[in-house]
Order: sequence, then C-alpha cells, then structure tokens
Amino acid sequence: DQQVKQNSPSLSVQEGRISILNCDYTNSMFDYFLWYKKYPAEGPTFLISISSIKDKNEDGRFTVFLNKSAKHLSLHIVPSQPGDSAVYFCAASGSGGSNYKLTFGKGTLLTVNP
Amino acid sequence: GAGVSQSPRYKVAKRGQDVALRCDPISGHVSLFWYQQALGQGPEFLTYFQNEAQLDKSGLPSDRFFAERPEGSVSTLKIQRTQQEDSAVYLCASRHRTGTASYEQYFGPGTRLTVT
Repeated sequence: DQQVKQNSPSLSVQEGRISILNCDYTNSMFDYFLWYKKYPAEGPTFLISISSIKDKNEDGRFTVFLNKSAKHLSLHIVPSQPGDSAVYFCAASGSGGSNYKLTFGKGTLLTVNP
Repeated sequence: GAGVSQSPRYKVAKRGQDVALRCDPISGHVSLFWYQQALGQGPEFLTYFQNEAQLDKSGLPSDRFFAERPEGSVSTLKIQRTQQEDSAVYLCASRHRTGTASYEQYFGPGTRLTVT
C-alpha cells in the first residue's frame, strides 16, 4: 500500500509554460512534504518543502501547494525550462518520534521541450 | 564539494558474494539514512543513524543486510550472500541535526549494485 502516490508517470510541457506535478498521500500522520529532483546517475536533489501548517511555499520559479483536507500537494514550475527535465519525487515525513524517514512516491518524469 | 559521497559508484557482484557500500555524509551532519531504489520506483527507507546509534533498522529487507556507523561519521552498508533481488541503487542521505524545523535530507549519488 503506497502511502505517497504520484499517479502521472510522465509529463511533457513546452518551454516557458507551466509544469504542474501532483502528489497524493494517505497517511494523516505526515506533516512535512518535500520535492526532490533527480537527473540520471545522480542522487535526488532537494528542491522545495512545505510544512502542514502552511498551504503554499514559493521559491523562485517553484511553488508548492498543500491541500491538507484532500491530502494532496502539487509542485508548480513557472516558467518551465529545458534544464528542468528530470524525474521529480514527492516525499513525506511524520513528526515526533517518526520525524526522520522520508516516504517517497514513484516519481514523475518531466520533459520540457524547447 | 562538501556533499554526501558514496563509493563505489557501481558494483557488480556474483550471487552469493558479500558487498560493502560506503557513505561519507556531509561534515557535521548528525543523522544518516540509507535508502534502496529499485528500477522505476522511489527510494525506500532502509535504516537510520543518529551519530553512531542505529535508531531504526525496520526497512532492512532481511538479516543479510547490516549497517554500521561506528564513529558517527562514515557509514557502511553490508549485504551478505547477495541475491538477484538485491540489485538496486543504494542511496545514502544526511541531515543536519534533530530538533530542527526542517526535514531536508541531502543525498549522495548512490551505488548501483548489480547481482549476476
């Protein structure tokens, strides 16, 4: 039973347009969410995060939205650039005694076409 | 750079061989994690250290897997009597310290293990 789900295995977007990557979770104990970006043959690179006490966090071209009641989060990239082409992983963490390990989704391959 | 490093980057083992994978975390990072990433999947938690103490090994798939961090810095993941299902990328990550408000973990490049 996957606790973090990324239902779109891939997404293709034109350069300059918006990319929207989605993520759903089932475990209500999760209260911190992260997005990682991964290029081939490299480890995941931290991109942006959000605490469950917020509904939006913005960093440059990247914005993460959290809808806690729907257990849904999304990553918006505006404007998309060809260098954004990578696999994006959504990850979640609990708090208190379990605030250390990350639970990941399967990832979404984003392709930004020039 | 001062990132997480892992060695070797690639390892081919014959079924039944033992392997040892090394992780050098970011200097000063208290927490260290190992994850296993199978093809087409996201990373899955294996084990967690705070300094030299292994606080959670619930993700280790069998007793053939063993991890240590004896001096609270470098860590080694050992797999005994490797099986084909052990083929995966093994990722190491570190995090600054407990009790902070942020949960970001910083990953190394991984070791790709292929068992033939």
